[in-house]
Amino acid sequence: QVQLVESGGGVVQPGKSLRLSCAASGFTFSSHAMHWVRQAPGKGLEWVAVISYDGNSEHYADSVKGRFTISRDNSKSTLYLQMNSLRVEDTAVYYCAREEVARPFDTWGQGTLLTVFS
Amino acid sequence: SYELTQPPSVSVSPGQTARITCSGDALPKKYASWYQQKSGQAPVLVIYEDSKRPSGIPNRISGSSSGTMATLTISGAQVEDEADFYCYSTDSSGDHRIFGGGTKLTVL
Repeated sequence: QVQLVESGGGVVQPGKSLRLSCAASGFTFSSHAMHWVRQAPGKGLEWVAVISYDGNSEHYADSVKGRFTISRDNSKSTLYLQMNSLRVEDTAVYYCAREEVARPFDTWGQGTLLTVFS
Repeated sequence: SYELTQPPSVSVSPGQTARITCSGDALPKKYASWYQQKSGQAPVLVIYEDSKRPSGIPNRISGSSSGTMATLTISGAQVEDEADFYCYSTDSSGDHRIFGGGTKLTVL
């Protein structure tokens, strides 16, 4: 079945870096744009970044532009989020989500928690 | 910056109809989709392209859009429908992707 599994979350200090991963299975990963969406504790959903199916195009939320980089390895069916210069306000559960044609975020992972704490 | 506005909460009794609205200036030109998030779980897509239902979503959940407002309707709401609901769309350029602030649906 279609599955997304995030990993890499943890506790880091402000200013540090971390990379999240999202392993995809059960579908042709290289055919789909992929997103990262985050949710701060007790708050709503915030779109973070998207990458095209072939990795040639990326877009970011203003809140992370210049600090976060989305990438993918289609040979490994894996999505990444490199997060640099982390801030306390980046603390959130980070979800990866698939985009199907005309159906944004049709499949979600279970999320991985990032805590930025001094 | 572009915003999608939802009411923070909606409350209905079991069997009643719940309506959750989402307003945004670009909605006349851009589709809305809706996501249900139950406590401690990842969101689930329940409506896309304003009114289409993915397979497996009960037909008591429906969507519509008119002008600058999209509406999610849950007919005959059940206790198990209690969740946070989020609308999603883009601005008119398509460059900015955004979720509404979320609406907590209480059925009691």
